[in-house]
Amino acid sequence: RKEVEQDPGPFNVPEGATVAFNCTYSNSASQSFFWYRQDCRKEPKLLMSVYSSGNEDGRFTAQLNRASQYISLLIRDSKLSDSATYLCVVTPNNNDMRFGAGTRLTVKP
Amino acid sequence: DAGVTQSPTHLIKTRGQQVTLRCSPKSGHDTVSWYQQALGQGPQFIFQYYEEEERQRGNFPDRFSGHQFPNYSSELNVNALLLGDSALYLCASSLTGGRNKNIQYFGAGTRLSVL
Repeated sequence: RKEVEQDPGPFNVPEGATVAFNCTYSNSASQSFFWYRQDCRKEPKLLMSVYSSGNEDGRFTAQLNRASQYISLLIRDSKLSDSATYLCVVTPNNNDMRFGAGTRLTVKP
Repeated sequence: DAGVTQSPTHLIKTRGQQVTLRCSPKSGHDTVSWYQQALGQGPQFIFQYYEEEERQRGNFPDRFSGHQFPNYSSELNVNALLLGDSALYLCASSLTGGRNKNIQYFGAGTRLSVL
């Protein structure tokens, strides 16, 4: 079983749609959780941290369920500029990050 | 405020050769991590350097080695290159002990092609 698993997609949605990504992780001792965004042939960029209490940043909402070892990302009112690969990231300790393979999103006009 | 910088941006090598990739961390950061990203995959952790020592290592062979300098910059060395080493190599920096100590910021990467 992979340490971090994501649905690879692709997700093709129209502008204005709401889309949700899921991620599961295997190491129950994992300490920190993030969503990164990666555009084609670019480096990953931090989108948001994920907390057990849930957190929201504009159109983006992230949730963490430690009991189920499950992380989610919800994007509301999708924009063309949201098209990218979304990487689920888990840190099993304070040092290294473990990435999922990413979920590819395409938002169409 | 300079972000994470990597050099070179692209590199072509042949099997059996050796390569050195370089990384300068974001200003104020003291920790450097290296990742390998194959096409269509997420980045895979190679190792992390802090205080000029390798602090953590992923599941990569000894052909992959590194170094951190007193100014926090870092090098990744790969010996006896294999075709399968072709990938995007990403450097990420962070601040150990800082408020956001687990957040890593990435450079644009070095794209290595092994022929």
